[in-house]
Amino acid sequence: KQEVTQIPAALSVPEGENLVLNCSFTDSAIYNLQWFRQDPGKGLTSLLLIQSSQREQTSGRLNASLDKSSGRSTLYIAASQPGDSATYLCAVTGTASKLTFGTGTRLQVTL
Amino acid sequence: DAGVIQSPRHEVTEMGQEVTLRCKPISGHDYLFWYRQTMMRGLELLIYFNNNVPIDDSGMPEDRFSAKMPNASFSTLKIQPSEPRDSAVYFCASSLGRVIRGNTEAFFGQGTRLTVV
Repeated sequence: KQEVTQIPAALSVPEGENLVLNCSFTDSAIYNLQWFRQDPGKGLTSLLLIQSSQREQTSGRLNASLDKSSGRSTLYIAASQPGDSATYLCAVTGTASKLTFGTGTRLQVTL
Repeated sequence: DAGVIQSPRHEVTEMGQEVTLRCKPISGHDYLFWYRQTMMRGLELLIYFNNNVPIDDSGMPEDRFSAKMPNASFSTLKIQPSEPRDSAVYFCASSLGRVIRGNTEAFFGQGTRLTVV
């Protein structure tokens, strides 16, 4: 059974700092890994999708990497802003075509 | 496309009542997922469909929960009878899985916040 873990569970950083969120998964037989953002009381917004054949994806200040063999992904956020404050979730799509979610990292960027 | 549309956004009901949650996936998507989110357990997959056919319902908590997808543009999740422990946010998501498996980006609705009192 696929298990996805995110570390840390919560993180607080001052504005402008670069930061890294971690995601690990136990079964490397995945089709892709997706990073989502969730604001309080809201739905999930897809940020980046990395296919299993890819090593990284970039969108603006976000960069996600994938090391499938070791079961790890990182989400790098450059020059953090208060508007980045949210919960970040990673999810992997396995051979059964279903997404398995991590536990999430709650990020707070302070002024 | 307006994205995945869920209704209602909020539902408050009394214990024992029937609750029906609705979802309209993105047009053309062939996978539909129902998730439940709670503080204690995070996001849990309840059931998912491929081409309107239920593929895996192992996440459905018990017989009180049922889901249907009568056509490609509509799905329901029903709880009968509802209990206070069913209180959670229920999300519907859809994706396109036919073409290239690696690019099956999932899109989520805004969720239905269910409160059973």
